[in-house]
Amino acid sequence: GENVEQHPSTLSVQEGDSAVIKCTYSDSASNYFPWYKQELGKGPQLIIDIRSNVGEKKDQRIAVTLNKTAKHFSLHITETQPEDSAVYFCAARGRSLTGTASKLTFGTGTRLQVTL
Amino acid sequence: DTEVTQTPKHLVMGMTNKKSLKCEQHMGHRAMYWFKQKAKKPPELMFVYSYEKLSINESVPSRFSPECPNSSLLNLHLHALQPEDSALYLCASSQGQGANTGELFFGEGSRLTVL
Repeated sequence: GENVEQHPSTLSVQEGDSAVIKCTYSDSASNYFPWYKQELGKGPQLIIDIRSNVGEKKDQRIAVTLNKTAKHFSLHITETQPEDSAVYFCAARGRSLTGTASKLTFGTGTRLQVTL
Repeated sequence: DTEVTQTPKHLVMGMTNKKSLKCEQHMGHRAMYWFKQKAKKPPELMFVYSYEKLSINESVPSRFSPECPNSSLLNLHLHALQPEDSALYLCASSQGQGANTGELFFGEGSRLTVL
């Protein structure tokens, strides 16, 4: 099955600075890579995603890059704001344990704190 | 506000109790999911229903029993749980499954404590 590693586990930046979170995956058949933001007491919410036929995608202050050869992808947040403080999870959609269906595997999470 | 509604938000149960978690969505999605999330850990997939049929069971113990009465509802029946099953249980839905999955929409979760 798929294995997703995520770094760093915690990240503290000053307001206005950029934040970068990196993930690697193991299953070369994985083809969809979403990023989720989870605030305290809430479920994860999709903030951006990228498919394997694209190398980069941007949405305002958020961008994601994908290197299929190296099997890694990254989240970039520019001009960070206090409301960006949350736990961020990367994920990869690959094969299930039985190999018969696709499943989403999450990275271990990054706690981002944006300080004033 | 999430469009996936989970009830109850909190549940405390003993190891001999039988209880159920419920999930509802009205977005017309045909795939629904149960995830388990321990504190400071990522969500872990438990079950996937696609078009009301169980398509993925990630080797979950039989004390967890999923049910999909219709395309809008998903239940998780709990029986003879252990204290280590205490966690946040997240429901999610998506337009389809496999290549047509699209975005997963999560509910806010049911926080379960097993005494």
